[in-house]
Amino acid sequence: DGGITQSPKYLFRKEGQNVTLSCEQNLNHDAMYWYRQDPGQGLRLIYYSQIVNDFQKGDIAEGYSVSREKKESFPLTVTSAQKNPTAFYLCASTTRGIGNQPQHFGDGTRLSIL
Amino acid sequence: DAKTTQPTSMDCAEGRAANLPCNHSTISGNEYVYWYRQIHSQGPQYIIHGLKNNETNEMASLIITEDRKSSTLILPHATLRDTAVYYCIVRVRDDKIIFGKGTRLHILP
Repeated sequence: DGGITQSPKYLFRKEGQNVTLSCEQNLNHDAMYWYRQDPGQGLRLIYYSQIVNDFQKGDIAEGYSVSREKKESFPLTVTSAQKNPTAFYLCASTTRGIGNQPQHFGDGTRLSIL
Repeated sequence: DAKTTQPTSMDCAEGRAANLPCNHSTISGNEYVYWYRQIHSQGPQYIIHGLKNNETNEMASLIITEDRKSSTLILPHATLRDTAVYYCIVRVRDDKIIFGKGTRLHILP
């Protein structure tokens, strides 16, 4: 079955440590996204990528980094510069352009600080 | 960027139709309206989308006003499993897809 796989489901980070969240899709989508969700809040866009080797900052990119070396993969690194990283992180993908295809979402990674 | 405005929360009795409104007054002519829902601690689930005509699928109906400045998602016979946060979004030209805070729908038994 085609879809988006996020791993791990739960992740714990120590103070001052970088961690990387995985997102893989086999839908042959060009565009991929990372969102952050805090309790009781909506989704906020961190980074998105429209094509391999290219990505753009979203609304809350500070303290995060991404790479897009392969079409199917869009890992997110939460760096030590992100002072409040505890949140639910969601990855999504879709086709490019205004066209009429919806985003597909993964099941999320819940990150907590030890 | 086209932005959307939704009520923070709504209640609906089980078995009745749930009508969720969304305002998108700055929408451009070729931008689609999408609806998703999110059940606690899960990824958002796609429901339906449309451009200017009304749309219906097995989950819901989408009514878009003629001027395209607002839309309504209709769940025809709400059940307790429809309790979720519902997001209305408009897709902009550069693929930058922004979510608002959505509407928290409570289905009352």
